[in-house]
Amino acid sequence: SQQGEEDPQALSIQEGENATMNCSYKTSINNLQWYRQNSGRGLVHLILIRSNEREKHSGRLRVTLDTSKKSSSLLITASRAADTASYFCATGDSWGKLQFGAGTQVVVTP
Amino acid sequence: GAVVSQHPSWVICKSGTSVKIECRSLDFQATTMFWYRQFPKQSLMLMATSNEGSKATYEQGVEKDKFLINHASLTLSTLTVTSAHPEDSSFYICSAPRRNMNTEAFFGQGTRLTVV
Repeated sequence: SQQGEEDPQALSIQEGENATMNCSYKTSINNLQWYRQNSGRGLVHLILIRSNEREKHSGRLRVTLDTSKKSSSLLITASRAADTASYFCATGDSWGKLQFGAGTQVVVTP
Repeated sequence: GAVVSQHPSWVICKSGTSVKIECRSLDFQATTMFWYRQFPKQSLMLMATSNEGSKATYEQGVEKDKFLINHASLTLSTLTVTSAHPEDSSFYICSAPRRNMNTEAFFGQGTRLTVV
């Protein structure tokens, strides 16, 4: 079963704008991860944030985690056309099992 | 570096036949692997946990007799879709966790199965 919800389901922005997507989950977690998937392709791991962390950065990516609200957000700054993809959050347990969110489809137009 | 190799990357089969998908851990041993399924325009759903030397654990709603999982060695897990039907057409992907569960897992490249 899926762990939680993501919003928005779809996001359309222009190059240079920021993209923000949110993820909510239901149970306790070990970590929360964000993945990107281009149409019909495999998963690309973007960033992992541990349950005792609140914010993490990687290049143009910024992830926040609020365990009290059971939510996380992914911010992509200065978006590029190549950022067009589906983005999924996934919660990880202590066994390495992942429960994925519903995903956000991002389209960045030049 | 350590990776997970999944084969085939795509397969087309006739309705009623069986298809085997392999997931190999390269340069590391994986006592546990996970199998996920993704229908078009949907998210990834965990199907089962593959355990080396013991029976797989299936998620609710996944038929264990239809999706046979074998994890006979520390580097190989296989998923066999038996008597495939068009509704089994999907993207199947495996993953193997690292020893440190608080780091990202290794994912295979995925297999796109089309049943005609």
